[in-house]
Amino acid sequence: GQNIDQPTEMTATEGAIVQINCTYQTSGFNGLFWYQQHAGEAPTFLSYNVLDGLEEKGRFSSFLSRSKGYSYLLLKELQMKDSASYLCAVRLYRPGNNNDMRFGAGTRLTVKP
Amino acid sequence: GAVVSQHPSRVICKSGTSVKIECRSLDFQATTMFWYRQFPKQSLMLMATSNEGSKATYEQGVEKDKFLINHASLTLSTLTVTSAHPEDSSFYICSARDWVSSGGLDNEQFFGPGTRLTVL
Repeated sequence: GQNIDQPTEMTATEGAIVQINCTYQTSGFNGLFWYQQHAGEAPTFLSYNVLDGLEEKGRFSSFLSRSKGYSYLLLKELQMKDSASYLCAVRLYRPGNNNDMRFGAGTRLTVKP
Repeated sequence: GAVVSQHPSRVICKSGTSVKIECRSLDFQATTMFWYRQFPKQSLMLMATSNEGSKATYEQGVEKDKFLINHASLTLSTLTVTSAHPEDSSFYICSARDWVSSGGLDNEQFFGPGTRLTVL
């Protein structure tokens, strides 16, 4: 089976930095995605990693280690609006369907003043 | 970025009725769309892959006769929940890949806003 694990909940303070970890055990890895999802809304794309290393995008950075099956999302200068669920998703390679994505359960981040 | 719409955004129906949910790519053509279901505080679960002009590919455990998918054009896919029951109440989300604007890199999928289905 495919397993994608991330913490259920995290709390951080406005202005601080928070790291959300994701570990995965999947077959046919073809990229890892991070999405932000506010309650009752659809996910929005944050970042994509397919090679090992750090991808930086403004206040958000994402890291990938394929050998360890590990990724993290780093959020800097936290703002109240960053309170949301953060979904880690792994794309699997399947012949004929190269966009088969499996999602973790999400990490609910609460940013406090 | 590319825009995907869903209609309706919210629907309440009686048990035993059928509900149709539409997913449209507004400013791009999508040969492939994906349908997900999300129960409260749970992850998105892929239900099926919708291919324009051909039959949908369903994930294991998803009943194809209950969740009918029709991808009639490059901008529209529909999901029909037939004979809905309370356990079908969920948040249904579609997504599409904009192959052209992504430069063929297939990095991103765009999600619709979701449809909240409540079956009484």
